[in-house]
Amino acid sequence: GAVVSQHPSRVICKSGTSVKIECRSLDFQATTMFWYRQFPKQSLMLMATSNEGSKATYEQGVEKDKFLINHASLTLSTLTVTSAHPEDSSFYICSATRTSGGPKNIQYFGAGTRLSVL
Amino acid sequence: KQEVTQIPAALSVPEGENLVLNCSFTDSAIYNLQWFRQDPGKGLTSLLLIQSSQREQTSGRLNASLDKSSGRSTLYIAASQPGDSATYLCAVRPGGAQKLVFGQGTRLTINP
Repeated sequence: GAVVSQHPSRVICKSGTSVKIECRSLDFQATTMFWYRQFPKQSLMLMATSNEGSKATYEQGVEKDKFLINHASLTLSTLTVTSAHPEDSSFYICSATRTSGGPKNIQYFGAGTRLSVL
Repeated sequence: KQEVTQIPAALSVPEGENLVLNCSFTDSAIYNLQWFRQDPGKGLTSLLLIQSSQREQTSGRLNASLDKSSGRSTLYIAASQPGDSATYLCAVRPGGAQKLVFGQGTRLTINP
């Protein structure tokens, strides 16, 4: 199988603080990871594509200085929500694609992180 | 710009019925199409993936079809069970892109 672990599963923070979310591929290497955001009763919207060893590619309308992405290894990508505000409260989900050892066109998803900013 | 639409937004049926969920996409130039299941507050579970060259895929009680030229896919669920209650998401991977474009989902409720 291909397991993607996301941590934490839930986080509550005060407005103005920064929150880091981790996405790990546990049993495979992932050159590319994706970060999605899902507002209540809405679909997933891609925020950015994270490539190991290079800068992330952000979708239009997503502030790169607000949502910092680091993909320093083939098994870990992090998303940091800087100076979080209540409107950043959402469900954040990551996914990863294999570098090798299996089909490369399938995204494996983490369980998601629910962020609540007070 | 690829857009994915799912109809209906919500569906409630008695246990045991067969049902069909619909997904349409605006650009037929896709690499593949995938159906996911999402339970409340949880991540995504991949159900079926159809490559652009395929017409359908089956897994147990689930059957997904793809008509790329008309921009449509259906997910057929046979003999529905209360445990099938969840939101079902359709997503396409545009040709030449790695990302997935998701529909809004269909919230399915199977009543015992």
